[in-house]
Order: sequence, then structure tokens, then C-alpha cells
Amino acid sequence: NAGVMQNPRHLVRRRGQEARLRCSPMKGHSHVYWYRQLPEEGLKFMVYLQKENIIDESGMPKERFSAEFPKEGPSILRIQQVVRGDSAAYFCASSPVGTGAQPQHFGDGTRLSIL
Amino acid sequence: SQQGEEDPQALSIQEGENATMNCSYKTSINNLQWYRQNSGRGLVHLILIRSNEREKHSGRLRVTLDTSKKSSSLLITASRAADTASYFCAFVQGAQKLVFGQGTRLTINP
Repeated sequence: NAGVMQNPRHLVRRRGQEARLRCSPMKGHSHVYWYRQLPEEGLKFMVYLQKENIIDESGMPKERFSAEFPKEGPSILRIQQVVRGDSAAYFCASSPVGTGAQPQHFGDGTRLSIL
Repeated sequence: SQQGEEDPQALSIQEGENATMNCSYKTSINNLQWYRQNSGRGLVHLILIRSNEREKHSGRLRVTLDTSKKSSSLLITASRAADTASYFCAFVQGAQKLVFGQGTRLTINP
């Protein structure tokens, strides 16, 4: 009964490169959320997706960031032309329904380091 | 968006003592949730308390919610070394996005 799986766990990129972060939700979960965490801080919401739909992207920067959750396969958070300020831990969470009445289940995150 | 605020930011106690963490928020909520994060790991859900509930227990955890004061507290009784972690309160805003506090870093000294 696997939990939320994120890969890679650690990712190092040079400024200007692209970063792709993957998230496979728990089995049976069709709602995926991405959060970003800076050191010593809480998580900040980025985007909420259901299969093939972006429901809320209010926390995601308008430029360079994009997210998708295709019909088949994991959810992808893509950061183009990375800058030093993108260095952070990125967490994915999933839930079976989107009512807000149930907890979200988190992966162990991808730690992105920009050189 | 209104972020939750947690107090204290850091707490260090001896094993066996009780630990209390507080969370305040500014908006109306349907429920408030507490999560734990061990170093280098993701968040683990601990407990969810609904807006019409005042207190909830789960093992050594006790959560209270005072909607009139817009505050919640998490009490961990008889603390253990394994309780060392960061603890976050969170509430749902809009279409199910969670808004987190800054967290309380709890250290249990053996």
C-alpha cells in the first residue's frame, strides 16, 4: 500500500536549466497538490490538480513554472530556466476527494538545489 | 491568503514532560489540521478537528479549538525522544489548498 511517491529525492541543476519533479499519488487518489518549503519555514501552496485539470494555481509563479497531471502517469512540476531562488524542498500531496474535509497525504519531497 | 501563526517557534523539553504548541489564524475555517514533519521527510497528518468540535484526542495527543479566539493548541503528553520534529497547523482555504503555519520545532531531550 504505497504512499505518495516523489522522485527524484534530490535534484541539482545549474542556473538556466530545467527541473522536472514527479509525483505519483496514493492509489485511488485523484487529487494532487504541490507545495514549496524554504528552510525553517512552513509549506506554501503552489497548485492543485485533478486528472487532466488544473483546479487552483494561485500559488504558482506565472512565469517558468508549470504543472500537469495527465490521465496516465505521475503529476509533473516543471521549472524552466531555474534560478538560485528556486532552491527549496518541493512536496506533493494527494487526497481521494477534494472537499477539504479529509487530510492530505504527503510524499517525502524533492530537494532542489540550484548551483 | 491568511497564514496560520504558531507559538512558540521552538520548544525544548525533557523526555516525559508535556509539550504544548499553539496556533492562531485569521479567517473562518471548516476544520483545522495538525501535521508532524521529521527532519528531511514529508508531513504526516496527526489530527483533524472540525469547527464544531472543541476538543479531540488521539493517543497522547490532545487538540483544542476555540473558534471565537481563532486559536488551536496541540498538547503532547508524556513526551518521548521520537516526538522530536516540527509541528504545523494548517487550515483549508478555497478549493482545498492547505495554508500552513510557520511551525514549532520541538526537541525532546533524553
